Amino acid sequence: DIQMTQSPSSVSASVGDRVTITCRASQGISRWLAWYQQKPGKAPKLLMSDASSLQSGVPSRFSGSGSGTDFALTISSLQPEDFATYYCQQANSFPWTFGQGTKVEIK
Amino acid sequence: QVQLVESGGGVVQPGRSLRLSCAASGFTFSSYGMQWVRQAPGKGLDWVAVISHDGKVTYYSDSVKGRFTISRDNSKNTLDLQMNSLRAEDTAVYYCAKESKARRATAIDSWGQGTLVTVSS
Repeated sequence: DIQMTQSPSSVSASVGDRVTITCRASQGISRWLAWYQQKPGKAPKLLMSDASSLQSGVPSRFSGSGSGTDFALTISSLQPEDFATYYCQQANSFPWTFGQGTKVEIK
Repeated sequence: QVQLVESGGGVVQPGRSLRLSCAASGFTFSSYGMQWVRQAPGKGLDWVAVISHDGKVTYYSDSVKGRFTISRDNSKNTLDLQMNSLRAEDTAVYYCAKESKARRATAIDSWGQGTLVTVSS
């Protein structure tokens, strides 16, 4: 199975900060990577697929990059509604696997 | 719009069985692969199983293989997860999920609200 490792596990940031979360796959997954946002008590929400394809309705302050084994999700200017937990997920092969999550907290 | 509504969760003793169901609407159900993803209390997302649009292909995580069975009824727009030989570590919120594309899906674009399964004596 492909292991997905996110870093950091948590980050404290202020409104307006630029935040970058990285995700590393244990083997190459081309660009078959998705990013999700999850708020407490809610289902995850798809932000990005295919490494950098922004989902409809997701603000443009979110961007994704990477291919192969190394990927990143960047929030260019953190907004109050962005405080949440973020997960990467590989879709190169089954079983699909998720990173352990990165919690973005208010500083 | 897409709606996925899970049911069937509850408290069950270790070793017993439980069947989860998901009622889908708002899209052409028979065109999309469907998945189950779970989340233990306070933990991260854990992929469980997938079934192809026509029900012919399934995959499972190693942790549930041989104990769980995913199935679908395209005439009723329903997705099921039969869970046997349940263990304490199966305790989680179980999400029904729709793949993002009809072919070569690379993400989950719709999730149900989740149903809680608690395995405890």
